[in-house]
Amino acid sequence: QSALTQPASVSGSPGQSITISCTGTSSDVGGYNDVSWYQQHPGKAPKLMIYDVSKRPSGVSNRFSGSKSGNTASLTISGLQAEDEADYYCCSYAGSSYVFGTGTKVTVL
Amino acid sequence: EVQLVESGGGLVQPGGSLRLSCAASGFTFTSYDIHWVRQAPGKGLEWVSVFTTASNTFYPDSVKGRFIISRENAKNSVYLQMNSLRAEDTAVYYCAREALNNNWFDSWGQGTLVTVSS
Repeated sequence: QSALTQPASVSGSPGQSITISCTGTSSDVGGYNDVSWYQQHPGKAPKLMIYDVSKRPSGVSNRFSGSKSGNTASLTISGLQAEDEADYYCCSYAGSSYVFGTGTKVTVL
Repeated sequence: EVQLVESGGGLVQPGGSLRLSCAASGFTFTSYDIHWVRQAPGKGLEWVSVFTTASNTFYPDSVKGRFIISRENAKNSVYLQMNSLRAEDTAVYYCAREALNNNWFDSWGQGTLVTVSS
């Protein structure tokens, strides 16, 4: 199972919006609505930000949103803030297995 | 409060074995699937295994036949027996709780570092 493809880095100024893509295949992203997104600050454990493609857990800012089209899922962060600077990983169920994305470093300029 | 605490990491020689533990608290352990996810230094996340509430186990090809996940409900614990370790198994190993009957991870431990080196 190959890792899902994400851009290595995305940057934006405070207040701007950025979008991170996550491209897989019909065996994972395209085949299930079980796409989730995780935020990871350096030296910390991942934190769930989005599940079921577009749902937000309680406590996660509504500046984070998710979507999917075909084999590509996306995470959008609107109103970018300094605290959003972190690594972001997508993850998809792939039928008795799970595959993560390659990870995207978000930099707030 | 949901807590997952990993232990058992350390330095091991190539070809050696190591057993990791994940102790859970703050929730009804028997109702949840528990996973192991690893992260090599400076690299991304990789799913390693799951022990389901139905006592099924699954692994990716990268560890199948070498790693064994087990579970002891009486101790609210999950274990990962790692055999025939390779340099590429060097990583921080996290245990993670799968959200109830869903395919995403809602709680994570702090991780334990495994280093495979001579």
